[in-house]
Amino acid sequence: AQSVTQPDIHITVSEGASLELRCNYSYGATPYLFWYVQSPGQGLQLLLKYFSGDTLVQGIKGFEAEFKRSQSSFNLRKPSVHWSDAAEYFCAVGVLYRLSFGAGTTVTVRA
Amino acid sequence: GAGVSQSPSNKVTEKGKDVELRCDPISGHTALYWYRQSLGQGLEFLIYFQGNSAPDKSGLPSDRFSAERTGGSVSTLTIQRTQQEDSAVYLCASSLITSGGTYSTDTQYFGPGTRLTVL
Repeated sequence: AQSVTQPDIHITVSEGASLELRCNYSYGATPYLFWYVQSPGQGLQLLLKYFSGDTLVQGIKGFEAEFKRSQSSFNLRKPSVHWSDAAEYFCAVGVLYRLSFGAGTTVTVRA
Repeated sequence: GAGVSQSPSNKVTEKGKDVELRCDPISGHTALYWYRQSLGQGLEFLIYFQGNSAPDKSGLPSDRFSAERTGGSVSTLTIQRTQQEDSAVYLCASSLITSGGTYSTDTQYFGPGTRLTVL
């Protein structure tokens, strides 16, 4: 069965600093990988997704993620964080119609 | 355009009562999904619809949970005889089916959720 691990429950970063969120997956076949963001009281918004091809994927809001098959990882990055990036971030693997999510990483941005 | 909408946004009920949660998907989206987000279990898949049919209900946690979809559009998730462990945020998502039926590559668009509190 597929699974997703997000090792960091909570990350605090200064505004303007870089951000990296870790995601490791376990799945036997080619994974379909997603990053979603959830702001307080909001639903999940898709940041980016990876299916195949270029392993560096660009998303919305200045985010990017890199797929590394050898490490079973799909880490999310942003070069310079804005206060509005404070939210909870979820990595997910898609198998058929199901998304299996990690536990999420809460990002706090300090001024 | 309009996104996925859910109602009510908040629902407080007493243990043992039945509740209905509604989801209006994005117009034209043939696939619809329900997920549950709770503190203890994180985000869990519950059920998905292709049109009005639900080929996989295995994510529903008990037989107190049921869902239906009518007209290929609105869906209702019903919880009978609610228990305190049913307290959670229930999220609905919809998608186009563009991947020849494999679904994995179809982006799921989520609604804001219904926060259910069972007292």
